[in-house]
Amino acid sequence: DVKVTQSSRYLVKRTGEKVFLECVQDMDHENMFWYRQDPGLGLRLIYFSYDVKMKEKGDIPEGYSVSREKKERFSLILESASTNQTSMYLCASSIRDSLHFGDGTRLSIL
Amino acid sequence: GENVEQHPSTLSVQEGDSAVIKCTYSDSASNYFPWYKQELGKGPQLIIDIRSNVGEKKDQRIAVTLNKTAKHFSLHITETQPEDSAVYFCAATMNTGFQKLVFGTGTRLLVSP
Repeated sequence: DVKVTQSSRYLVKRTGEKVFLECVQDMDHENMFWYRQDPGLGLRLIYFSYDVKMKEKGDIPEGYSVSREKKERFSLILESASTNQTSMYLCASSIRDSLHFGDGTRLSIL
Repeated sequence: GENVEQHPSTLSVQEGDSAVIKCTYSDSASNYFPWYKQELGKGPQLIIDIRSNVGEKKDQRIAVTLNKTAKHFSLHITETQPEDSAVYFCAATMNTGFQKLVFGTGTRLLVSP
């Protein structure tokens, strides 16, 4: 089975901090994604990557950046965390149709 | 861009009843429509999908139907069981190869014993 591992289940940070969320997949998938999940808003795409060192903006990239230095790892960076970035963050990978999600990181910005 | 609307936001049924969740999409170019199930504390997991060249697809107790003319698709769960309780998301994409899915807002299904 594909395994997508997110480094933290829960994370608490302060406003203005630089925050790193890490994601690793073990199935050599080309594509990786970062979504944000908020009640009543569903899953919204922040950034995605279809190859090493390649990245594309999703629907809500403002305030975020990403890094993909190795095929198996995709990092989401909050450059200067703000309270409106408190949310559940989901990483996913895919090679064709099916997205495989990690179990999420619940991030609280105080 | 694509917009996906999903209804209802919550659905409560008795064990053994059927449950139906409906989604509409805006972009007629969309041709791939997956459904994901998210259990408490877990990430979403693909449970069934359908492509635009097919009108219906079944997998045991779950089925998905697609009406391309009306631009809507539905998830049907028969003989519901308590373990079907979860949040369900529909999604749509033009199948660009990057699977840039647009998700609905989710339906919380509660199956009571």
